[in-house]
Amino acid sequence: EDQVTQSPEALRLQEGESSSLNCSYTVSGLRGLFWYRQDPGKGPEFLFTLYSAGEEKEKERLKATLTKKESFLHITAPKPEDSATYLCAVFPNTGFQKLVFGTGTRLLVSP
Amino acid sequence: DAGVTQSPTHLIKTRGQHVTLRCSPISGHKSVSWYQQVLGQGPQFIFQYYEKEERGRGNFPDRFSARQFPNYSSELNVNALLLGDSALYLCASKVSGGETQYFGPGTRLLVL
Repeated sequence: EDQVTQSPEALRLQEGESSSLNCSYTVSGLRGLFWYRQDPGKGPEFLFTLYSAGEEKEKERLKATLTKKESFLHITAPKPEDSATYLCAVFPNTGFQKLVFGTGTRLLVSP
Repeated sequence: DAGVTQSPTHLIKTRGQHVTLRCSPISGHKSVSWYQQVLGQGPQFIFQYYEKEERGRGNFPDRFSARQFPNYSSELNVNALLLGDSALYLCASKVSGGETQYFGPGTRLLVL
């Protein structure tokens, strides 16, 4: 069964304190791994797509990396506006467009 | 360009009623998927539609149905509502041949 586990469930950082979020997965043929940001009561906002082990993508203070079993979202010198829930999802090789999500990491960055 | 739009934004229903949720994809996107997100959980896949045909279905009962129109907009219908159907319902669209799904703001459904 395709499965995504994210850790930690919640993370509190001080502004400027860098850290990493983890996403481990088991999937029947990975067609892509996605990171989304979700603010309370809103829809997920797309951040990154990773396709193969060793791939890295960056956007402002965020950097996503991928191995064969897990992905990391590194947050460098976070700001309070980075506070949100970060969702990881995998796209298994099912023949149709189904994303399997983890439960997310709730990030709170204090000034 | 406008993103994915959904209506209504909020909805309150009672048990046993029926509900219809609507979604308009990003212009040029022909694939629409629906997800259910219960509070504190990640979104769960319900349906994918492409070119007006159902291409995939998640582990949801037959009370859930959907359709896609010639303009690629979509409706999600839920019959005989249960308290457990209370959730944020998300619509996502993607371009043909692409992998990335873009989500709308969701419809918050509360079943009393």
